[in-house]
Amino acid sequence: AQKVTQAQTEISVVEKEDVTLDCVYETRDTTYYLFWYKQPPSGELVFLIRRNSFDEQNEISGRYSWNFQKSTSSFNFTITASQVVDSAVYFCALSPRYGGSQGNLIFGKGTKLSVKP
Amino acid sequence: DGGITQSPKYLFRKEGQNVTLSCEQNLNHDAMYWYRQDPGQGLRLIYYSQIVNDFQKGDIAEGYSVSREKKESFPLTVTSAQKNPTAFYLCASRGVLIAGGLETQYFGPGTRLLVL
Repeated sequence: AQKVTQAQTEISVVEKEDVTLDCVYETRDTTYYLFWYKQPPSGELVFLIRRNSFDEQNEISGRYSWNFQKSTSSFNFTITASQVVDSAVYFCALSPRYGGSQGNLIFGKGTKLSVKP
Repeated sequence: DGGITQSPKYLFRKEGQNVTLSCEQNLNHDAMYWYRQDPGQGLRLIYYSQIVNDFQKGDIAEGYSVSREKKESFPLTVTSAQKNPTAFYLCASRGVLIAGGLETQYFGPGTRLLVL
C-alpha cells in the first residue's frame, strides 16, 4: 500500500524563524515522484516542487529547500527566515511513475503552518 | 491566460438534489482529476480521467458521477446518493506548463459545497 504521513498537524513560529515540515512515505514502487503543495487560505493548491525517486540531490529555491532521503523514505521541506505570507497548509504527496494509477497523487493530511509577526 | 477554472465558487444543495460542479482547463492536458477535501484532512481522489471518453473511480467514488466528452471539460455530479456532500472540491489536470517541463498536477480554485 502507498501512504504519506505528515506527523505535524500544526506548527506555529515567529517570523524569521526557520521551520521544517516533515514528510514520510511508504511505497513498494522502485520509481515514483514526490511533491509538495501549498494551500493558502484561499483554498487553491499551489505546486511547489516535484522530485524523482532516482534523484536524491537536495534542492534549494530561494528561502525554500527540500531534503530527500530515500534510505529513510523522507522528503522534508524547510523554510528559512519564515514570513507571514508563508502561513498556509502544506501537503506532501506521492505518485507512482508507472501502472494504471500513474500520475495519481496520494496526499498526506497536511501541516498547517502559522507564522506570527 | 492558461489555467483551470471551477464554477461556482460556492454551491448549495437541497436534500435529494443532484448538483453539478464545473471544471474547465485550457492547458491541453489529457488527464483530469476530482478531489474532495474535508476540514483538517488531506485530499481524497473521487474520479480521474486519463483521456477523453474514459474515466476511472478513485477512492471515494460512491455518490458521484463524471463525464469526459471533451478534453477541456470534466464535470462532477454530486448525486442524492452522496449522504455527506459538504466539502471543498478541487479539480486538477496533469501535464506540463511549458515544453520540456515536468509533468505535474495543477489545481483549480475549488468549489465549496454546502447542504441546506
